[in-house]
Amino acid sequence: DQQVKQNSPSLSVQEGRISILNCDYTNSMFDYFLWYKKYPAEGPTFLISISSIKDKNEDGRFTVFLNKSAKHLSLHIVPSQPGDSAVYFCAAGMTTDSWGKLQFGAGTQVVVTP
Amino acid sequence: DAGVIQSPRHEVTEMGQEVTLRCKPISGHDYLFWYRQTMMRGLELLIYFNNNVPIDDSGMPEDRFSAKMPNASFSTLKIQPSEPRDSAVYFCASGQGEETQYFGPGTRLLVL
Repeated sequence: DQQVKQNSPSLSVQEGRISILNCDYTNSMFDYFLWYKKYPAEGPTFLISISSIKDKNEDGRFTVFLNKSAKHLSLHIVPSQPGDSAVYFCAAGMTTDSWGKLQFGAGTQVVVTP
Repeated sequence: DAGVIQSPRHEVTEMGQEVTLRCKPISGHDYLFWYRQTMMRGLELLIYFNNNVPIDDSGMPEDRFSAKMPNASFSTLKIQPSEPRDSAVYFCASGQGEETQYFGPGTRLLVL
């Protein structure tokens, strides 16, 4: 049973514009969330995270927003660059559960066009 | 640091054969994770270790799968016997304390 869902398998955006990636979860016990980025033939790399005590976390061009009542989070990339073309995974975990036991979404393929 | 090292990077085998995947975590990391990525199920956690001890193996699909971590710098994931449905990319990741996980490049397994 998928508890973390990324309903958009792909996203195409023009260079310089904003990319918005969405993620929904069903388990209200999740209290921390992460985004990973993956290039072909490489493992996922950590991008940004957010705790459930916050509703926003920003790191350079990347901002993650959390809406606990809607069980929804989003990743904004502004401005989008060609090097951002990759698959982005949303992941969720519970501090009350074993640390590191993350559940991942299926991923969203982002293509940034010139 | 070289990062998480996995071998082999690619493996093609025939159904029924034993497959062993290897992982060397980042030095000093006390957590090690094994994941499997498939089109159908996405990225799923199979098992993870803390200080070489298996903590949670609830994601291991069946008894054909086993994992060991004999020391802090080495872990194996074994499939015996392998089946075509085991074809996937297998990732190893390591982490320290409650920090983020660092993934290896993965092993692409094809079972014919």
